[in-house]
Amino acid sequence: AQTVTQSQPEMSVQEAETVTLSCTYDTSESDYYLFWYKQPPSRQMILVIRQEAYKQQNATENRFSVNFQKAAKSFSLKISDSQLGDAAMYFCAYIGPSVSGTYKYIFGTGTRLKVLA
Amino acid sequence: ETGVTQTPRHLVMGMTNKKSLKCEQHLGHNAMYWYKQSAKKPLELMFVYSLEERVENNSVPSRFSPECPNSSHLFLHLHTLQPEDSALYLCASSQVTGNYGYTFGSGTRLTVV
Repeated sequence: AQTVTQSQPEMSVQEAETVTLSCTYDTSESDYYLFWYKQPPSRQMILVIRQEAYKQQNATENRFSVNFQKAAKSFSLKISDSQLGDAAMYFCAYIGPSVSGTYKYIFGTGTRLKVLA
Repeated sequence: ETGVTQTPRHLVMGMTNKKSLKCEQHLGHNAMYWYKQSAKKPLELMFVYSLEERVENNSVPSRFSPECPNSSHLFLHLHTLQPEDSALYLCASSQVTGNYGYTFGSGTRLTVV
């Protein structure tokens, strides 16, 4: 069965500094997708970044980038130039084929990021 | 505006009440989901609707009853809930494959008293 593990329940970063959130996963599939979602206090989960497993190039979205290591099944999120608005829960998610015909989403337990002024 | 709208935002109900949560999307998505988010627990997938048909029901108690009348609307009907059902209920939508990610609503914070 697929699993997603976020081993850091909480992280802190100084404003303008860089922080890396860790995520590891387990799957026997070769075709899958990985995501990072942000959930601020407003509760709405927002898609931050998406990685296709068949692409070796790491995805980047402005200050957010990933380090995707397929062989190691690792998918970390790097936030550069951290801002106060980056404070939130961050969830790593895996999506792969499901027998029901839809894709099966697996979420990690989340990492709470605090940004210190 | 997020694209996925959930109402109500907050709900307090007694254990004998019947209430419904509503989710609406106009993104052209054809899959919709209910998730339960409890403190210190992973997100729990409850139900999946794909092309208006329920394709997944993850051992959810019968006191939760979903309804998807069309591809834009999803309901979660609640009756005789327990205090442990208190949680944030999130609705999401996507294309059927979901591999472009979900769009989530802001959730309904449910408290059962």
